[in-house]
Amino acid sequence: LAKTTQPISMDSYEGQEVNITCSHNNIATNDYITWYQQFPSQGPRFIIQGYKTKVTNEVASLFIPADRKSSTLSLPRVSLSDTAVYYCLVGDGRGANNLFFGTGTRLTVIP
Amino acid sequence: DAGVIQSPRHEVTEMGQEVTLRCKPISGHDYLFWYRQTMMRGLELLIYFNNNVPIDDSGMPEDRFSAKMPNASFSTLKIQPSEPRDSAVYFCASSPHRDRTISEAFFGQGTRLTVV
Repeated sequence: LAKTTQPISMDSYEGQEVNITCSHNNIATNDYITWYQQFPSQGPRFIIQGYKTKVTNEVASLFIPADRKSSTLSLPRVSLSDTAVYYCLVGDGRGANNLFFGTGTRLTVIP
Repeated sequence: DAGVIQSPRHEVTEMGQEVTLRCKPISGHDYLFWYRQTMMRGLELLIYFNNNVPIDDSGMPEDRFSAKMPNASFSTLKIQPSEPRDSAVYFCASSPHRDRTISEAFFGQGTRLTVV
């Protein structure tokens, strides 16, 4: 399984853009990158998924460089409600190998 | 769809008792997963099913844990006998089947289990 490394925690002020970077140096050719968000007392929620370059949806953007050894989740203009743990997962989706969660990044948004 | 439904939301039991957690996946989803979350170990994948068949139970911690999926709309995770170290939040998740790969997983609200 491709291992991922993320910062344990981050703080940000309301209204700022937040970028959370995930390292996955041994990502395989068929692997794609998925990010989940988990609020306290809730199950994780899918945010975004990508393979290369840039992916954007209504919640976030995902930037993946050409070598794919890292990825950056970008949250535009965060609010207090974005305080959560963000997980980066890597896998090709076969045998549930893209559903192993690491420690995640605890984002705290400050007023 | 109401999403993945788990019951009970909270369970407090005494050590040695049997505990049964229940899950109703999203209709039409082919995959069902059971996770356990603790502060120490984070989110651990315990077992998952494809079309009601257990595929990988390597994450199940001990023989005291068992999971079944008798039909496409129901699964149980049983702990017998329960121990205090089983205290955790247990999540059930389901996922549709797209191009023979598992894409995003949809999680339930979890069952907070406390074994005293």
